[in-house]
Amino acid sequence: AQKVTQAQTEISVVEKEDVTLDCVYETRDTTYYLFWYKQPPSGELVFLIRRNSFDEQNEISGRYSWNFQKSTSSFNFTITASQVVDSAVYFCAHLGPGTYKYIFGTGTRLKVLA
Amino acid sequence: NAGVTQTPKFRVLKTGQSMTLLCAQDMNHEYMYWYRQDPGMGLRLIHYSVGEGTTAKGEVPDGYNVSRLKKQNFLLGLESAAPSQTSVYFCASSYGGSYNSPLHFGNGTRLTVT
Repeated sequence: AQKVTQAQTEISVVEKEDVTLDCVYETRDTTYYLFWYKQPPSGELVFLIRRNSFDEQNEISGRYSWNFQKSTSSFNFTITASQVVDSAVYFCAHLGPGTYKYIFGTGTRLKVLA
Repeated sequence: NAGVTQTPKFRVLKTGQSMTLLCAQDMNHEYMYWYRQDPGMGLRLIHYSVGEGTTAKGEVPDGYNVSRLKKQNFLLGLESAAPSQTSVYFCASSYGGSYNSPLHFGNGTRLTVT
């Protein structure tokens, strides 16, 4: 069965530090999709990125970057020069083919201190 | 654009009472979902629907019922609320025909059962 593990329950950093949030997944699918969502203190869930299993290119979007490595079944998320507004809970999720069930990790709470 | 709208935002129930949570989406999405979020548990799928008139059980369906009579609406019912159903409930929707479509979430309903 698919499983997503976010081993870091909570991380605290000081503003302007870089921080990496880990996501490790388990799957038997050869084709699958991975996602990251952000949940700020206001509570809504915001989609950040989607990655297909056949595309291992890293992606950068401003201060955010994602490192997808199939060899280690990881899809890690790095925030460069963190800001207080990055404080949120971040969820990683997996979606397999032929299913509509997204499997979420338990989330990592990031606190960025001024 | 309203996106996904959940009502109500907050609700307090006594054990044994019933209620219905309403989710409405205006994006013409085929798929709709109900999740619950509990501390340390991440997001767990309660029920989902892949089209009007169809529903299916997710990971934690016991104690809940759903209906999708119209494509844009997905209702979650609690027939006899229990304290274990105290949680934050999120509705989500996604496009049909594509297995890599990200979820669009509502803003959540905080339910307390006393």
